[in-house]
Amino acid sequence: KQEVTQIPAALSVPEGENLVLNCSFTDSAIYNLQWFRQDPGKGLTSLLLIQSSQREQTSGRLNASLDKSSGRSTLYIAASQPGDSATYLCAVCHLPQGGSEKLVFGKGMKLTVNP
Amino acid sequence: NAGVTQTPKFQVLKTGQSMTLQCAQDMNHNSMYWYRQDPGMGLRLIYYSASEGTTDKGEVPNGYNVSRLNKREFSLRLESAAPSQTSVYFCASIEGQLAKNIQYFGAGTRLSVL
Repeated sequence: KQEVTQIPAALSVPEGENLVLNCSFTDSAIYNLQWFRQDPGKGLTSLLLIQSSQREQTSGRLNASLDKSSGRSTLYIAASQPGDSATYLCAVCHLPQGGSEKLVFGKGMKLTVNP
Repeated sequence: NAGVTQTPKFQVLKTGQSMTLQCAQDMNHNSMYWYRQDPGMGLRLIYYSASEGTTDKGEVPNGYNVSRLNKREFSLRLESAAPSQTSVYFCASIEGQLAKNIQYFGAGTRLSVL
């Protein structure tokens, strides 16, 4: 069964730090890995999607890498700002046995960037 | 741009009451999904609809029913609410395959069952 883990569950840092958020998954047979952002009381917003054939994706100050063979992904946030404070979720798209493709989510990591 | 719209935003029910959560998307997406999000559990798939007229069970379907009313709308019904169904419910939609595209999420419905 595919499981996605995000450690730590919460992180508090001062403004300006470069951050690395970690995500691990148990089954390397994935179609893609996605990083989402969730603000308090809001829905999820997709940040980056990395296809299984790719090693990384970049969007502005965000860079996500994927090492499928080791079951790991990292989300790098450069020069963190208070506006980056949110919960970040990692999800993998895989094909469960006997079913159709599904997203499996980690529990998220709550980031607080202090001014 | 509305995207995915969920109603209501908040709801309090008593055990045994029924209600329907509504979801509509204006992006002409084929596939729609219902998830629940609980503290310490992450998001779990309840039901999904790959296209108009089809629905399939996800990971946690018990106690729920769904209707894909048309291409735009996908509703989730609780026939007899239980305290274990207290959660935040999210609707999502996608164009094309989940393997290649991103999902768009609504803002959620926060449900408390007393």
